[in-house]
Amino acid sequence: QKEVEQNSGPLSVPEGAIASLNCTYSDRVSQSFFWYRQYSGKSPELIMSIYSNGDKEDGRFTAQLNKASQYVSLLIRDSQPSDSATYLCAARNSGGSNYKLTFGKGTLLTVNP
Amino acid sequence: DAGVTQSPTHLIKTRGQQVTLRCSPKSGHDTVSWYQQALGQGPQFIFQYYEEEERQRGNFPDRFSGHQFPNYSSELNVNALLLGDSALYLCASSLLGGSTDTQYFGPGTRLTVL
Repeated sequence: QKEVEQNSGPLSVPEGAIASLNCTYSDRVSQSFFWYRQYSGKSPELIMSIYSNGDKEDGRFTAQLNKASQYVSLLIRDSQPSDSATYLCAARNSGGSNYKLTFGKGTLLTVNP
Repeated sequence: DAGVTQSPTHLIKTRGQQVTLRCSPKSGHDTVSWYQQALGQGPQFIFQYYEEEERQRGNFPDRFSGHQFPNYSSELNVNALLLGDSALYLCASSLLGGSTDTQYFGPGTRLTVL
């Protein structure tokens, strides 16, 4: 069973701090990775995608990928109360006939004013 | 730019009934995937449709079936509903062969089975 694991949290950080969200995956052939944000009662919203080892930055968000360690992370700088949500990590094996996203259970982030 | 739309927003059914959920993909997209998200869990892949055919299926029973229409919209049908089918049903659209394989989600349909 190919899995994506996340710490369910909750992760609580003060406003203005850096929030660090982590994800590990078991399928070594996973090639595409995604972070989605999901507010309570809403659907997942794409934050970032990452495909290559290293860092990818978009505004206050930085995704990090280490394929050797099978590890993906998301850093949120200058955290705001509006960042309070569940963050879902997803992996996809882009080879062959596999098109599905495999999700972790999500990490609940709370940013305290 | 129209995003992914789903209908209905909420639905209440009783055990044994059948339900049909609908999805229209984001403008320019041709592929539709369906996911089930139970409370406190990540979305679970049900199946994906492309060119009006089921291209991949997750670990869901045959009670779950789908269809894609020539305009790329899609339906998810669930027969003989069980209490455990209560969940948020998400549709995601993507573009086959696009520069990325990113899936964008619609607002979801909340199904409650009593």
